[in-house]
Amino acid sequence: GQQLNQSPQSMFIQEGEDVSMNCTSSSIFNTWLWYKQDPGEGPVLLIALYKAGELTSNGRLTAQFGITRKDSFLNISASIPSDVGIYFCAGQPITGTASKLTFGTGTRLQVTL
Amino acid sequence: DGGITQSPKYLFRKEGQNVTLSCEQNLNHDAMYWYRQDPGQGLRLIYYSQIVNDFQKGDIAEGYSVSREKKESFPLTVTSAQKNPTAFYLCATSLDPGYEQYFGPGTRLTVT
Repeated sequence: GQQLNQSPQSMFIQEGEDVSMNCTSSSIFNTWLWYKQDPGEGPVLLIALYKAGELTSNGRLTAQFGITRKDSFLNISASIPSDVGIYFCAGQPITGTASKLTFGTGTRLQVTL
Repeated sequence: DGGITQSPKYLFRKEGQNVTLSCEQNLNHDAMYWYRQDPGQGLRLIYYSQIVNDFQKGDIAEGYSVSREKKESFPLTVTSAQKNPTAFYLCATSLDPGYEQYFGPGTRLTVT
């Protein structure tokens, strides 16, 4: 199955800095989802986006559904140590089975004090 | 307390043995999914079920089998035909197919 291109693959930042990551696809998507996964745990849903151009916030997190429907962005403001983890994007392609999500390979975030 | 439970957290098996991973949910979600995660990789879909008594193959179904006899339960059997079974297995659910998916805590299977 197709995988999304997620970048950067990893990043080291200092506490208090803002973080940006993105996900791109060659296909059009109906839905974009952002998850965070801690080591040895299941991914936790952070934000769900359903309309092109949609901008949604969840605390210090903000995500956007790209206007072309082929990309999405996640921003974290004023990072803190507990933001450490792997962030995955996932999308539901416009074609194919409604049940099947396509996942990115993840962005590993490490925050230093 | 609502949620998705997977048991056990860690599972060890000898090569050639079948093993069944449990996934239970009390969210009243119709759809359930099984994913496999390997180090440094994204999630790959093994099987999914949109409704009781129905399930479909995902992208990497070979060597796996499932059943969906109850809405709450979607067990995954890793058979001896699966060539590289050692991985982290994640179960997920969604209210309906096409809605956002929620994940369980995962089961780490090690086969030696």
